[in-house]
Amino acid sequence: SQQGEEDPQALSIQEGENATMNCSYKTSINNLQWYRQNSGRGLVHLILIRSNEREKHSGRLRVTLDTSKKSSSLLITASRAADTASYFCATASTSGTYKYIFGTGTRLKVLA
Amino acid sequence: KAGVTQTPRYLIKTRGQQVTLSCSPISGHRSVSWYQQTPGQGLQFLFEYFSETQRNKGNFPGRFSGRQFSNSRSEMNVSTLELGDSALYLCASSLGPQGSEKLFFGSGTQLSVL
Repeated sequence: SQQGEEDPQALSIQEGENATMNCSYKTSINNLQWYRQNSGRGLVHLILIRSNEREKHSGRLRVTLDTSKKSSSLLITASRAADTASYFCATASTSGTYKYIFGTGTRLKVLA
Repeated sequence: KAGVTQTPRYLIKTRGQQVTLSCSPISGHRSVSWYQQTPGQGLQFLFEYFSETQRNKGNFPGRFSGRQFSNSRSEMNVSTLELGDSALYLCASSLGPQGSEKLFFGSGTQLSVL
């Protein structure tokens, strides 16, 4: 089963609005990452947040991490049509040999 | 610096055949990981190679295998192809082993099995 699960599965918003997507995971983690994937292409790294961090910003992106709830959220402010993509969270468990497990993703559509 | 390069970009095979996919990581990166992406299952971890050694393996049958060369380039092989192997195969590289590094992905190889 997947370590990370994104919610919602799909999201449609108007340009200029904020988009929020969530990721829940099951075990203790070393860090959590968010990636973006444009249709049929490779994933692009957006942001990494470590287990001892609670919030991180990068441009229009804001990521929060709540290790007590085993959840993270990605906020994209003032969205643009170019933000239309699928967004994935990836987590690396602290137990066993580290490997990144990806969720099934949130498909974001930003309407112009 | 060149990104992660995967070849070929598209591949069409028939059931029972075998296929080899190639991945050239970013220069200096020693870890190469492979993922299978399908619409229903999302990204599934196949395996990771670090310094020519398989460091991690996902839950895939033995028909899926890989290797890494001394220059960090990696190949993935699938034997006795099945229809369900149709997917986008993604390769990712990182400086160090997975777990604390961000991954750099190639554009993938789209495999269709007929």
